[in-house]
Amino acid sequence: IVLTQSPATLSLSPGERATLSCRASQSVSSYLGWYQQKPGQSPRLLIYDASYRAAGIPARFSGSGSETDFTLTISSLEPEDSAIYYCQQRSNWPPLWTFGQGTKVEIK
Amino acid sequence: EVHLLESGGALILPGGSLRLSCAASGFTFNNYAMHWVRQAPGKGLKWVSSINKSGDIAYYADSAKGRFTISRDTSKNMVYLQLNGLRDEDTGIYYCAKDLGSGQIGHWFDPRGQGTLVSVSS
Repeated sequence: IVLTQSPATLSLSPGERATLSCRASQSVSSYLGWYQQKPGQSPRLLIYDASYRAAGIPARFSGSGSETDFTLTISSLEPEDSAIYYCQQRSNWPPLWTFGQGTKVEIK
Repeated sequence: EVHLLESGGALILPGGSLRLSCAASGFTFNNYAMHWVRQAPGKGLKWVSSINKSGDIAYYADSAKGRFTISRDTSKNMVYLQLNGLRDEDTGIYYCAKDLGSGQIGHWFDPRGQGTLVSVSS
């Protein structure tokens, strides 16, 4: 299963809403996750099962979608949200995990 | 607090071997599947290998099959990735991650370390 993310780069101002897209080449049901990676850091799980926030993730991050089309929304951008965001899925059987190519979010 | 400490990365010649280690603490190690994820310089994330919580089933990306071996030692709370027949394209930071859930094998990665750098070059 191939995950395609868009746009490649998003440049927005603090307080604006960011909408990131992830499209799967075939249905993944609701098994879609989102990760944030800041420069020089390891990735951090933000969202799993399409819409559930991981522990400690601020409420401004939300996920939606099902089957092949998914969205990560950051409701009001903070300067610390500058990062690359990856979507990820796991195929049912055999388990094979894949990531999208990433969307870079820049804060103006 | 969950903590994962990767080690074992090095500069290695093509065709060489390395063993990466991941020391886990802050959670009940036996209850979680474990994973390795790689990131080539300036590139995105790529899953490499996973092992179920029982330690008896391993999963590999096609690029790792036949060359890499994942294992775990419950007595030491350690996960290992043996890398053989290394190629230039294996270069990158290798992150160890625990599974988010406590099933035999899950969907989501919970990386909590800084990774270890493998550089394959002649």
